[in-house]
Amino acid sequence: GAVVSQHPSWVICKSGTSVKIECRSLDFQATTMFWYRQFPKQSLMLMATSNEGSKATYEQGVEKDKFLINHASLTLSTLTVTSAHPEDSSFYICSVPTGYTTMGGYTFGSGTRLTVV
Amino acid sequence: KQEVTQIPAALSVPEGENLVLNCSFTDSAIYNLQWFRQDPGKGLTSLLLIQSSQREQTSGRLNASLDKSSGRSTLYIAASQPGDSATYLCAPEGGDYKLSFGAGTTVTVRA
Repeated sequence: GAVVSQHPSWVICKSGTSVKIECRSLDFQATTMFWYRQFPKQSLMLMATSNEGSKATYEQGVEKDKFLINHASLTLSTLTVTSAHPEDSSFYICSVPTGYTTMGGYTFGSGTRLTVV
Repeated sequence: KQEVTQIPAALSVPEGENLVLNCSFTDSAIYNLQWFRQDPGKGLTSLLLIQSSQREQTSGRLNASLDKSSGRSTLYIAASQPGDSATYLCAPEGGDYKLSFGAGTTVTVRA
């Protein structure tokens, strides 16, 4: 099956700094990738749809200038959290649509735990 | 906006018992419904996908049913094992190809 690699798996940063999270599709060309955020004991919330070679599409309420998404190739999308604040501390996960089977239609990265201090 | 509710929020059973996890969703105009497993601090693993035209889907000890008109899906796990301990997430996929997730049911299977 498809493999999606997400790095780093965890990061601690100081308030006001920026953090970049990478999502790589190792064996599948992805024109689209999805970025989610998950707070403790809560559901995954879709933040944005990353489109290769064009601008990302952000969900309502997500600040596009704060969460910068770049999808410059068919195998890599990056999410940069700019001027991070403690309230941005969360678990960020990417996913790649990999074709529908009886098991599912998406392959997820292993997630990045961001802690802003 | 699709709202997804999963009941119960947590479940603890002895090994060997069958598990029943419930999911309800408000918008029945879905493309499919997917079930995932999430281990603590990890990403998601796909378990089953039920097309909107299907009533159920099976894989090994897992069986998922779908009643689209009433906005309900149930995941059954037979003969539970300690390795089944995880959080199970239900996610209907809309016609816009976006998944909406419930908060999950956290399962603990006691040896």
